[in-house]
Amino acid sequence: AQSVTQLDSQVPVFEEAPVELRCNYSSSVSVYLFWYVQYPNQGLQLLLKYLSGSTLVKGINGFEAEFNKSQTSFHLRKPSVHISDTAEYFCARYNQGGKLIFGQGTELSVKP
Amino acid sequence: SAVISQKPSRDICQRGTSLTIQCQVDSQVTMMFWYRQQPGQSLTLIATANQGSEATYESGFVIDKFPISRPNLTFSTLTVSNMSPEDSSIYLCSVETSGTIPDTQYFGPGTRLTVL
Repeated sequence: AQSVTQLDSQVPVFEEAPVELRCNYSSSVSVYLFWYVQYPNQGLQLLLKYLSGSTLVKGINGFEAEFNKSQTSFHLRKPSVHISDTAEYFCARYNQGGKLIFGQGTELSVKP
Repeated sequence: SAVISQKPSRDICQRGTSLTIQCQVDSQVTMMFWYRQQPGQSLTLIATANQGSEATYESGFVIDKFPISRPNLTFSTLTVSNMSPEDSSIYLCSVETSGTIPDTQYFGPGTRLTVL
């Protein structure tokens, strides 16, 4: 079954440090990948998506992700995080049935 | 994109009762979905709300427990029936606007349900 795996359940970092949140996917012919963010007590907000084209995808709030077919990865990065980036981050993909499936989430905690 | 609202935003309910959650979109959309997010967990798809026909449920979810309506292209409801504490979760509505794969799903703010 097609899946996504987020390798870290929690990532603590200090403010202004770089961060990488890891996501791996199971390989298939067509891959469409998404990163969503969920701030405390809120719904999900789309950060960025990869559908086709350039493998480096830029999103909102200074985040970017790189689609790496050989590594089957779609890691999310930000060069300098802020306290306000503290949130839960979800990697997601479409499965064969056209349904969006989510990773287990990574809790990013930015400390002063 | 789409702007999605949900009512209520949160509720505390007694065991054995039912709660109906509303999802309203600011434009006509082809696909609407309902997800459950149990405490500390990821999102699980409950069902696809089909306009004019019965919802399509995922494995482990049944219509008697989670009846869904979708009377038009901008509105849907999810009812959590005969609730137990295990139903305490965030329930999220999402939509796709184009109806083709790949598309982007946009999410509502969620309804936080606590069952005592």
